[in-house]
Amino acid sequence: EDKVVQSPLSLVVHEGDTVTLNCSYEVTNFRSLLWYKQEKKAPTFLFMLTSSGIEKKSGRLSSILDKKELFSILNITATQTGDSAVYLCAVDNNDMRFGAGTRLTVKP
Amino acid sequence: DAGVIQSPRHEVTEMGQEVTLRCKPISGHDYLFWYRQTMMRGLELLIYFNNNVPIDDSGMPEDRFSAKMPNASFSTLKIQPSEPRDSAVYFCASSLVGGYGYTFGSGTRLTVV
Repeated sequence: EDKVVQSPLSLVVHEGDTVTLNCSYEVTNFRSLLWYKQEKKAPTFLFMLTSSGIEKKSGRLSSILDKKELFSILNITATQTGDSAVYLCAVDNNDMRFGAGTRLTVKP
Repeated sequence: DAGVIQSPRHEVTEMGQEVTLRCKPISGHDYLFWYRQTMMRGLELLIYFNNNVPIDDSGMPEDRFSAKMPNASFSTLKIQPSEPRDSAVYFCASSLVGGYGYTFGSGTRLTVV
């Protein structure tokens, strides 16, 4: 059975901290892994990863995929209160399988 | 627990027809979300409910779209009339508390021809 598991479920940090969010998966016919930031409104696309070992960066956010060990991490450095959101991981294997999300709270 | 159950898995319909997508959330979950996934727009949040009450429907694209949640165990997303640009995968998700522990359904792949 295909599954996507995110950890931790929730995380509370202070501004300036660095966080690492985890996403592991077991799916057939893997095509890509996607990260989204879900705030009150629409989800925001962050990254799409298809190849192992290639880090993608966008400002303070970065992500990498390990297709051998079947996981991805999302790093956020120098966190800000505006980073508070739910971070969703999804795997595209012609269907889309979502994880449960990680609720990040960044306190001032 | 069978998880969030969506039906049908696949729907092919002709332009102008009414389409109804169904979702059964996890028992006890207070929040229910409808999303749409397309190549062009990515993942969009259409509407979400809390305790069966629609809280935010600002993501609903136009009046042809409507969603209801008559009880805690059932929700529908209706498109009337459907158009080819509505073709997408529609996901339903539920959570116990808003923003914690989402469970997504397998999605309904809608094709409007």
